[in-house]
Amino acid sequence: NAGVTQTPKFRVLKTGQSMTLLCAQDMNHEYMYWYRQDPGMGLRLIHYSVGEGTTAKGEVPDGYNVSRLKKQNFLLGLESAAPSQTSVYFCATRQGGAKNIQYFGAGTRLSVL
Amino acid sequence: QQQVKQSPQSLIVQKGGIPIINCAYENTAFDYFPWYQQFPGKGPALLIAIRPDVSEKKEGRFTISFNKSAKQFSLHIMDSQPGDSATYFCAAENSGGGADGLTFGKGTHLIIQP
Repeated sequence: NAGVTQTPKFRVLKTGQSMTLLCAQDMNHEYMYWYRQDPGMGLRLIHYSVGEGTTAKGEVPDGYNVSRLKKQNFLLGLESAAPSQTSVYFCATRQGGAKNIQYFGAGTRLSVL
Repeated sequence: QQQVKQSPQSLIVQKGGIPIINCAYENTAFDYFPWYQQFPGKGPALLIAIRPDVSEKKEGRFTISFNKSAKQFSLHIMDSQPGDSATYFCAAENSGGGADGLTFGKGTHLIIQP
């Protein structure tokens, strides 16, 4: 997981609280992604970004917002956390163009009570 | 609509056996098929990948078999070891499509018993 750092590693929230997950990369990759991983559901794309200042919705974007103000950082926000957002969140990066390899961070385990 | 179907969901194999994990896809525009390996508490990491112009690719003890007409591909692990115990995800992507990247299968939890 070298090069992609996620903070925090663990977090417990109460329903209705807000928080921001940070993904930082030092590989100078253009593309960044946020996934959530739930048992038996695999990895589902929440939002992604193809460059600084751009974001787009993935498969499961509801309840989340993102920002990419700097190329190296991709933030995932939960404005009003719900128990359904209890999950493990992974950030991934990829060099743009024909380079298909995605590099993942170590994940953030979030529990919403 | 699940575009990549993966089976089995879990698999237990004795050391030295050959676990086989299967995936099937629907989108004929997919042209890149990687497998990711995930250990507990870690993020997924690329294990091996194949493009549809070949039917098989080997890297060490790991082999991908690809059947374009059937729209299926599989991962074989030769001489499996307890250290191979992990969750394996197949994935697919249309390189010429949008930047939304990989579509993942739901994963296979593999246990190699000593």
